[in-house]
Amino acid sequence: QLVLTQSPSASASLGASVKLTCTLSSGHINYAIAWHQQQPEKGPRYLMKLNSDGSHSKGDGIPHRFSGSSSGAERYLTISSLQSEDEADYYCQTWGTGIRVFGGGTKLTVL
Amino acid sequence: EVQLVESGGGLVQPGGSLRLSCAASGFTFSSYNMNWVRQAPGKGLEWVSDISSGSATIYYAHSVKGRFTISRDNAKNSLYLQMNSLRAEDTAVYYCARGDGYNLGYFDYWGQGTLVTVSS
Repeated sequence: QLVLTQSPSASASLGASVKLTCTLSSGHINYAIAWHQQQPEKGPRYLMKLNSDGSHSKGDGIPHRFSGSSSGAERYLTISSLQSEDEADYYCQTWGTGIRVFGGGTKLTVL
Repeated sequence: EVQLVESGGGLVQPGGSLRLSCAASGFTFSSYNMNWVRQAPGKGLEWVSDISSGSATIYYAHSVKGRFTISRDNAKNSLYLQMNSLRAEDTAVYYCARGDGYNLGYFDYWGQGTLVTVSS
């Protein structure tokens, strides 16, 4: 079964960096994923597609502060130079034939 | 600029029906797969349905299969979701999302959502 696992919460200080993790289920460790950001009371926004080799392609207008990387079944989203507007929920998402799957989301608090 | 604007949400009784619409602009609508994704209050995102660019291929989540019908009108740049036999657990904000240009399965643009409340 295709499942994505995310930690429910994370926090980091203004101006610092944070690395969020999304873990693919066993048997699916080579899958690509996408990262989406959802700021409070807003619709989601696509951040990037992230491949198993760590290569990634970002959406329109996504700042350089957002980057992705991969290791085994783990897919990471790193946000550097944290700003207040980065406080949001972050979802990873993957896909198969006839199925689209979201992780449970990570709520990022900027201290 | 890509824009997706949902409409048609509202309050409906259990067992009732509702039709959602999504008006697309800023891109060649007929070239992209389109999706509906929902979010129950205080919960995460849940994919609902996907329709290919020419409507030939349609997928549904298990939770809505047999009750919801996705469709599109490429001449009107519009996506629809017909929701029947609605249940309390269908209460959510429903988002229209554009499929990626490579037909892989991720979403590269989202709308702002329309709220559906199923309650007596």
